[in-house]
Amino acid sequence: GQNIDQPTEMTATEGAIVQINCTYQTSGFNGLFWYQQHAGEAPTFLSYNVLDGLEEKGRFSSFLSRSKGYSYLLLKELQMKDSASYLCAVSNSNYQLIWGAGTKLIIKP
Amino acid sequence: ETGVTQTPRHLVMGMTNKKSLKCEQHLGHNAMYWYKQSAKKPLELMFVYSLEERVENNSVPSRFSPECPNSSHLFLHLHTLQPEDSALYLCASSRDRGTGANVLTFGAGSRLTVL
Repeated sequence: GQNIDQPTEMTATEGAIVQINCTYQTSGFNGLFWYQQHAGEAPTFLSYNVLDGLEEKGRFSSFLSRSKGYSYLLLKELQMKDSASYLCAVSNSNYQLIWGAGTKLIIKP
Repeated sequence: ETGVTQTPRHLVMGMTNKKSLKCEQHLGHNAMYWYKQSAKKPLELMFVYSLEERVENNSVPSRFSPECPNSSHLFLHLHTLQPEDSALYLCASSRDRGTGANVLTFGAGSRLTVL
């Protein structure tokens, strides 16, 4: 079967750095997405990786290793507003999105 | 208005009721989606429409009936639901389908409670 694994919940401190991991097993690969979802709000697109390596966007970076079936989302200089769920999704060979269950990130002062 | 708008935001219904969820996008996108989101579970794709034609129906019970009258509007008609259908129903749109970098724009969802 196809599946995405990511931790259910993580806690970090304001101003610190946190890394949210995502491992995947899918039928083919056409890219990996990260979305952010605040409670009661729409998921919003954060990043897309299709080649190995690190993509940086301000305080957020996303890394991909296709050979290991692994990605992480790195959040630096954490702010309280970063408290949210982070969803990992992979586009498979049929361009179907396979979703993880999301990681709830709690930021403490 | 921009983005994807869903109404109602909250809905409580009995098992014998008939109700509809509405989704509207003003992004000029060609594909629209219905997803079900339950606590601590991955998003479940229910239906996909591309250029107003249904292209995917992922074994969804017939008590859920989608309708796409045009490329900007999508409905989910609900009839004789079960308590386990209580969830957040998300609508999304994208420019096209069948590409790798197919970024979805989501609405805020309709929180459905079935009594």
